[in-house]
Amino acid sequence: SQKIEQNSEALNIQEGKTATLTCNYTNYSPAYLQWYRQDPGRGPVFLLLIRENEKEKRKERLKVTFDTTLKQSLFHITASQPADSATYLCALDSSYKLIFGSGTRLLVRP
Amino acid sequence: DVKVTQSSRYLVKRTGEKVFLECVQDMDHENMFWYRQDPGLGLRLIYFSYDVKMKEKGDIPEGYSVSREKKERFSLILESASTNQTSMYLCASSQYSGDDGYTFGSGTRLTVV
Repeated sequence: SQKIEQNSEALNIQEGKTATLTCNYTNYSPAYLQWYRQDPGRGPVFLLLIRENEKEKRKERLKVTFDTTLKQSLFHITASQPADSATYLCALDSSYKLIFGSGTRLLVRP
Repeated sequence: DVKVTQSSRYLVKRTGEKVFLECVQDMDHENMFWYRQDPGLGLRLIYFSYDVKMKEKGDIPEGYSVSREKKERFSLILESASTNQTSMYLCASSQYSGDDGYTFGSGTRLTVV
């Protein structure tokens, strides 16, 4: 069956370090993958989209990689700040709709 | 600032009631979606629509229906609310291609008692 896996354990890091979040999937062949940020009690906010033919995408302090052979995407936040603390969701396109992972909570300590 | 607006942030309804959740977007997006979000289960797609008067079932449509009479408005209907429909409901919209991601509303936290 189709599955998207994100680490359910929170990631706890020190301010200034690089946060790396993982998204693994099985039984999908997505044309693209997206990452979202969600704060408590709010809707997700779109961050980045990466296509299957792109290895890497950057936006300011964010970097996303997409390995269709490993069926994995990595999401990096460099020089992390306490304001980056949130839950991060990956989402795959499946027949023109998005299927979401359950998210990984990131906590950046000052 | 573009927006997806959900009519209520918090809603409490009784078991068996018919419940309407309204969603309006001002971006002229073709696509609209309804998800529910539960702890540990993530976002699950209930219904979506690619055009006016058009609807498609998502992964968990049972107990729900939708209506899209106008491009900007997508309504989720709980025909007879049950306690297992207590959840956070999120509406989203996107352009046809989906390239710019989805824009989500702030969500409606529905409690069925």
